[in-house]
Amino acid sequence: RKEVEQDPGPFNVPEGATVAFNCTYSNSASQSFFWYRQDCRKEPKLLMSVYSSGNEDGRFTAQLNRASQYISLLIRDSKLSDSATYLCVVNKGGYSTLTFGKGTMLLVSP
Amino acid sequence: NAGVTQTPKFRVLKTGQSMTLLCAQDMNHEYMYWYRQDPGMGLRLIHYSVGEGTTAKGEVPDGYNVSRLKKQNFLLGLESAAPSQTSVYFCASNIAGRDTQYFGPGTRLTVL
Repeated sequence: RKEVEQDPGPFNVPEGATVAFNCTYSNSASQSFFWYRQDCRKEPKLLMSVYSSGNEDGRFTAQLNRASQYISLLIRDSKLSDSATYLCVVNKGGYSTLTFGKGTMLLVSP
Repeated sequence: NAGVTQTPKFRVLKTGQSMTLLCAQDMNHEYMYWYRQDPGMGLRLIHYSVGEGTTAKGEVPDGYNVSRLKKQNFLLGLESAAPSQTSVYFCASNIAGRDTQYFGPGTRLTVL
C-alpha cells in the first residue's frame, strides 16, 4: 500500500459544484496532515491543515479520521480559480519530513 | 522579503555533466529540504537539513549530494547527471517545530 493515496482524477466540474477529494495514508503513527494546492508548473502552497475535529476555511472543509486513516477535502461553490492540483500531505513526525500524495487535478469549467 | 528562491529556474545538461542548484531563504528557517517532482508522481524528498552543517538522506538520495554551509542556503549537487534526473526540483524550508513548509518556485532540469 502506498504511503499516501489519492483519487486519481482529474475531476471536471461546473462552476458552483461541490467536489470532494479523498486520501488515505498507511502509517498509523503519522502526526499531522495537510492539503496543499499546486497550480500548473508552480510550487505547492499550503491550503489548510487537517485536524481530527475537522476544520473549515470559507468554502473549504477538511476532515481527518484517524481510525480509518482517511483525510478528505470538500470544496463548495467551486470557482474557476479553484482549478489546480490538490495534494494530500502527511507528516510522519520528526523534522517535518512530509510525504506527498500524487495529487488530484480539479478542472472547474464555466 | 523574498521567501524561498531557487537558482537557476531552468537548465539543460548533457549526461555526465555536473551542476549545483542553489536554494536560499531569508526567513531564518532552521529546516530546509530538496524534493523532486516527476509526472504522475508525488513530490519525493531527496535530502534535508535541520541546521547549518547538518544534512540527512530522504527517500531518493542516490546521485545527489547536498551542503548547508550557511543557514540561509541549501545546495543540491549532481556530480554526474543522468537522464533519470530530468525532473522539477523544489526547495522548501520551515521553522523548527512547525509543519508548514514554504516552497521555492522550482528548477526545471533536463538531462539529455
